[in-house]
Amino acid sequence: GNSVTQMEGPVTLSEEAFLTINCTYTATGYPSLFWYVQYPGEGLQLLLKATKADDKGSNKGFEATYRKETTSFHLEKGSVQVSDSAVYFCALSGASGGYQKVTFGIGTKLQVIP
Amino acid sequence: NAGVMQNPRHLVRRRGQEARLRCSPMKGHSHVYWYRQLPEEGLKFMVYLQKENIIDESGMPKERFSAEFPKEGPSILRIQQVVRGDSAAYFCASSPPLSYNSPLHFGNGTRLTVT
Repeated sequence: GNSVTQMEGPVTLSEEAFLTINCTYTATGYPSLFWYVQYPGEGLQLLLKATKADDKGSNKGFEATYRKETTSFHLEKGSVQVSDSAVYFCALSGASGGYQKVTFGIGTKLQVIP
Repeated sequence: NAGVMQNPRHLVRRRGQEARLRCSPMKGHSHVYWYRQLPEEGLKFMVYLQKENIIDESGMPKERFSAEFPKEGPSILRIQQVVRGDSAAYFCASSPPLSYNSPLHFGNGTRLTVT
């Protein structure tokens, strides 16, 4: 079956540091890949997505590139802010049993300190 | 265009009582998914429903848990005879039909506490 593996946190960075959160996946066919963000006390929000190989998703300074050869979708940001503190989930969406099935990683907690 | 609405936001139940969690999907969305999130853990898929049909309930415990999505009204996740281990945040998500590449839209969750 489909699976997503992402680095466990927590990740603690100083403001303006470079961020990488690793995500690799296992899937049959050609899944779509997503990053979601969850702020404290809230539900998940879509951060960015990529639907085919070599696509780059980007939003709010975050980027991730769909790498089929390494089955990866690492999240990066050049300069993090305190407001980026949240939990980040990597996810894939693929056909399974005739319908869309979304599989989430365990989530990586990011804490940015001033 | 209202997002996914879940209520209540917080629910406290004593052991043995019933918990009912409601989810109204986004307008135009006919697919609903329920997830459970335990403290310091990831999201666990529970059940996927379309209007009046359960498509996949492979993640739902066989006993005490049930879900429905009637033709009219919100989706309901029902937990009978709650136990302390049911304490968690329960999230509902929705998507439009034939949405292979569409993201899920999440509600803000219901935080269930069993005392």
